[in-house]
Amino acid sequence: QLVLTQSPSASASLGASVKLTCTLSSGHSSYAIAWHQQQPEKGPRYLMKLDSDGSHSKGDGIPDRFSGSSSGAERYLTISSLQSEDEADYYCQTWGTGNWVFGGGTKLTVL
Amino acid sequence: EVQLVESGGGLIQPGGSLRLSCAASGFTVSSNYMSWVRQAPGKGLEWVSVLSSGGSTYYADAVKGRFTISRDTSKNTLYIQMNSLRAEDTAVYYCARVDSGYQGYFDYWGQGTLVTVSS
Repeated sequence: QLVLTQSPSASASLGASVKLTCTLSSGHSSYAIAWHQQQPEKGPRYLMKLDSDGSHSKGDGIPDRFSGSSSGAERYLTISSLQSEDEADYYCQTWGTGNWVFGGGTKLTVL
Repeated sequence: EVQLVESGGGLIQPGGSLRLSCAASGFTVSSNYMSWVRQAPGKGLEWVSVLSSGGSTYYADAVKGRFTISRDTSKNTLYIQMNSLRAEDTAVYYCARVDSGYQGYFDYWGQGTLVTVSS
């Protein structure tokens, strides 16, 4: 079964960097994922697609502070030079045949 | 510029029906896979349904047999007809475009419309 696992919460200081993790279920380590950001009281926003080799393509207007990387079944989102507006929920998402899946989301707090 | 604008949400009694609309601009709905995603209050995102460019439909188990996704090419609009609504269908419903390359990830989202199922 295709499942994505995320830690419920993360925190980091203003100006620092943070690395969020999304883990693919067993047998699905080659899958690409996408990262989405949801700021409070807003709709989601597509950040990037991330392949198993770490290559990624970002959405329109996504700053260079956002980057992605991969290792095995893990997919990472790194946000550098944290700003207050980065405080949001971050969801990873993937897809199979006739099936689209979200991780449970990580709530990022900027201290 | 790609834009997706949902409408049609509201308060509905259990067992009732509702149709949501998603008006698209900046691209052609019928040329893309399109999706509905929902978010229950205080919860995460949940995929609901996809309509392929070829007309194939896909549904999450939670809504299969009760929801129907469709489109009107003349209006460039996506719909979802929701029947036999339950309290657990209460959520903000988002329309999303699926990328045209992999048909896998959601590359544009609407702002959402709230559906509340309650007596």
